[in-house]
Amino acid sequence: DAKTTQPPSMDCAEGRAANLPCNHSTISGNEYVYWYRQIHSQGPQYIIHGLKNNETNEMASLIITEDRKSSTLILPHATLRDTAVYYCIVSDYKLSFGAGTTVTVRA
Amino acid sequence: DGGITQSPKYLFRKEGQNVTLSCEQNLNHDAMYWYRQDPGQGLRLIYYSQIVNDFQKGDIAEGYSVSREKKESFPLTVTSAQKNPTAFYLCASSKKTSPFQAYGYTFGSGTRLTVV
Repeated sequence: DAKTTQPPSMDCAEGRAANLPCNHSTISGNEYVYWYRQIHSQGPQYIIHGLKNNETNEMASLIITEDRKSSTLILPHATLRDTAVYYCIVSDYKLSFGAGTTVTVRA
Repeated sequence: DGGITQSPKYLFRKEGQNVTLSCEQNLNHDAMYWYRQDPGQGLRLIYYSQIVNDFQKGDIAEGYSVSREKKESFPLTVTSAQKNPTAFYLCASSKKTSPFQAYGYTFGSGTRLTVV
């Protein structure tokens, strides 16, 4: 599996958009980009995934660069309940979770 | 409602004892996984199973054993050979998809194991 690099932490103001970057420069052509999040002491929750095109669902948007070496998860209007660890994962089958980005949404 | 049930939520055991963690799913998922999480760290894959009666080692399988006799169940045994068993253990399942898709994992609520 390709490795990913995420900032260890970031703060976001409630109501603002949160942009979470992820670098995956060694991604191969058949590997998807997945985002999951984990709220304290719970199991991770699936957010979104993509291969080449940008994707949007009710939770977030995923922007993947044309060369696929990096991506950004966008939470359009962050709420206090979005405080969690966010994992960017690149995989062709099994999911491997790194340390992720701890996002703190502040009122 | 469909989901994954892990039990118990908290488990205490004496050093040197084997302990089995339960994981049951009613989602009709083919694949099941066990992860370990230590404080402040990400999840590490212990074992996974894509089909009944078959399973593969993950990244940190030493000191652990699993079985997959039924599609719904994937119990994990933490043996006395595991040097640092105290951790948060998470079970997950997913549909059997093509090798190029791994979305839609469903996780259980976890078992926190403390060895004293």
